[in-house]
Amino acid sequence: AQSVAQPEDQVNVAEGNPLTVKCTYSVSGNPYLFWYVQYPNRGLQFLLKYITGDNLVKGSYGFEAEFNKSQTSFHLKKPSALVSDSALYFCAVRPSSNTGKLIFGQGTTLQVKP
Amino acid sequence: DGGITQSPKYLFRKEGQNVTLSCEQNLNHDAMYWYRQDPGQGLRLIYYSQIVNDFQKGDIAEGYSVSREKKESFPLTVTSAQKNPTAFYLCASSMGSGGASEQFFGPGTRLTVL
Repeated sequence: AQSVAQPEDQVNVAEGNPLTVKCTYSVSGNPYLFWYVQYPNRGLQFLLKYITGDNLVKGSYGFEAEFNKSQTSFHLKKPSALVSDSALYFCAVRPSSNTGKLIFGQGTTLQVKP
Repeated sequence: DGGITQSPKYLFRKEGQNVTLSCEQNLNHDAMYWYRQDPGQGLRLIYYSQIVNDFQKGDIAEGYSVSREKKESFPLTVTSAQKNPTAFYLCASSMGSGGASEQFFGPGTRLTVL
């Protein structure tokens, strides 16, 4: 079965420190990979996506993600965390052969402390 | 939240009642989606539509119905057959239904069964 895993329910970091939110996937073929952020009682906001090419993808608000095909991972990173980055983060995958459905991970809560 | 609106923001339903959640987009997107979000479970796809007058069941379609009579509108009806409807419902749209097209999300509707 195709799936996405975010192994950490919550990640805690201090403001100014680098952050990583992990994502691994199990899908066939060459998937398209996405990261979204959700603030409380709001919809999801698109952060970045990997299609092909450079394994390091840059996105909104200073976030970036590293695609690793051999490890089937797509970890979200930021060099210096802000308190305002505190939110719920979702990794999503669309298999290349799929008609459009996204497979979401269960989400990781990021808490950035001052 | 872009050009996608959902109404109402909060909705209360008595057991045995059908309710309809509205989703409208002005992005000229062909594809639209309905997701259900429960704590700790990520997003689960209810229905999606790739084009007007056509839609497909997602992973948890039982107890729900949709229509797509206009490109900009994709209402979701939660019927009395849905045994546990209390959840946060998110509507999304995308330019295309596959490939690298990211989905844009509305602000959500929180449905509570009394």
